[in-house]
Amino acid sequence: GAVVSQHPSRVICKSGTSVKIECRSLDFQATTMFWYRQFPKKSLMLMATSNEGSKATYEQGVEKDKFLINHASLTLSTLTVTSAHPEDSSFYICSAPGLAGGIGDNEQFFGPGTRLTVL
Amino acid sequence: LAKTTQPISMDSYEGQEVNITCSHNNIATNDYITWYQQFPSQGPRFIIQGYKTKVTNEVASLFIPADRKSSTLSLPRVSLSDTAVYYCLVGDDDTGRRALTFGSGTRLQVQP
Repeated sequence: GAVVSQHPSRVICKSGTSVKIECRSLDFQATTMFWYRQFPKKSLMLMATSNEGSKATYEQGVEKDKFLINHASLTLSTLTVTSAHPEDSSFYICSAPGLAGGIGDNEQFFGPGTRLTVL
Repeated sequence: LAKTTQPISMDSYEGQEVNITCSHNNIATNDYITWYQQFPSQGPRFIIQGYKTKVTNEVASLFIPADRKSSTLSLPRVSLSDTAVYYCLVGDDDTGRRALTFGSGTRLQVQP
């Protein structure tokens, strides 16, 4: 089946620094990827839609200048948390849609998540 | 998107069958019902999807009554490794290619 990877799986950084999280579709191409954030014991909340070759679409309340998204290729999207603060500490998860008309075309494939801790 | 309602949590023991019911009174004609499973500190994983009646795969069964206003995810003979959060989502057949809206989910705890 389709696999989505994320790197790093866990990161600890100091307040004020920037952190980049990579999301890769390993065996399929994804022109669209989605970024979610999940706080402890809470559900996933959509942050933005990453579009290959164009600007990302951000959900209301998500600062685009703080959460920079770059969809550099058909298999890679990156989320950069700029000037991170303790309140940005969370579990960040990306997903990619299955191929239309192919196996898994009615499901999304999620990465394993990245746990960010800002001290 | 149709709003869904699920129990916040459920407890079970190993070997038992677990049924998690999701209410979706405002489901539209074009909507499908999809369930995802999320283990602690991992991304969600697709379990099963259905439109009506019954769907079964190697992981679970999904029962959908004729009025489709609810659905039941059935996990046969659960084990400790089935401890996870289970999310019910409702959307049209293009849902897999759009961003998903997750509700609160049902936290299943399986005891030995």
